[in-house]
Amino acid sequence: RKEVEQDPGPFNVPEGATVAFNCTYSNSASQSFFWYRQDCRKEPKLLMSVYSSGNEDGRFTAQLNRASQYISLLIRDSKLSDSATYLCVVTSPRGNMLTFGGGTRLMVKP
Amino acid sequence: NAGVTQTPKFQVLKTGQSMTLQCAQDMNHNSMYWYRQDPGMGLRLIYYSASEGTTDKGEVPNGYNVSRLNKREFSLRLESAAPSQTSVYFCARSASLHNEQFFGPGTRLTVL
Repeated sequence: RKEVEQDPGPFNVPEGATVAFNCTYSNSASQSFFWYRQDCRKEPKLLMSVYSSGNEDGRFTAQLNRASQYISLLIRDSKLSDSATYLCVVTSPRGNMLTFGGGTRLMVKP
Repeated sequence: NAGVTQTPKFQVLKTGQSMTLQCAQDMNHNSMYWYRQDPGMGLRLIYYSASEGTTDKGEVPNGYNVSRLNKREFSLRLESAAPSQTSVYFCARSASLHNEQFFGPGTRLTVL
């Protein structure tokens, strides 16, 4: 089983739609969780950290479920510019390594 | 940018050639990292440096060496390039090992 698993997609949604991605991780002792965004042929960019209580940044909401070992990202009112690959990232229990999921590709259509 | 610069942006090597990928950060962060990204494989950690003067192996260190020259610079060296090392290489920085990482623009390497 991969340490961090994501549905590769693509998720094709119309502008204005709400879309949610899930990510599961295998190590229950993992400490920190992040969502990154990566555009084609570009570097990953931090979208948001994921806190135990859940957190929101504008149209983006991230949630962590430690009991079930999954992280979610919800995007409301999708924009064309949201089209990208979204990477789920988990730190090792020692906190010295990030493990990246393979990414979920989102395509927002007019 | 994310305060991380990488050179070169593109490189083509022949099998057996050597080269060094350069990375520098201007945020005075302690920790720096080298990753490779291959289609269908996601990002994989090659080496990291928790602080100036220390380096540790990541998930895929074979065929690479690193040098943390000072707090600002972290270089990745391929002593004898192989076609399997064709990839996109990203350098990253973070304030500490537990913090978010910020990536440079990448180096696209092709080994023929």
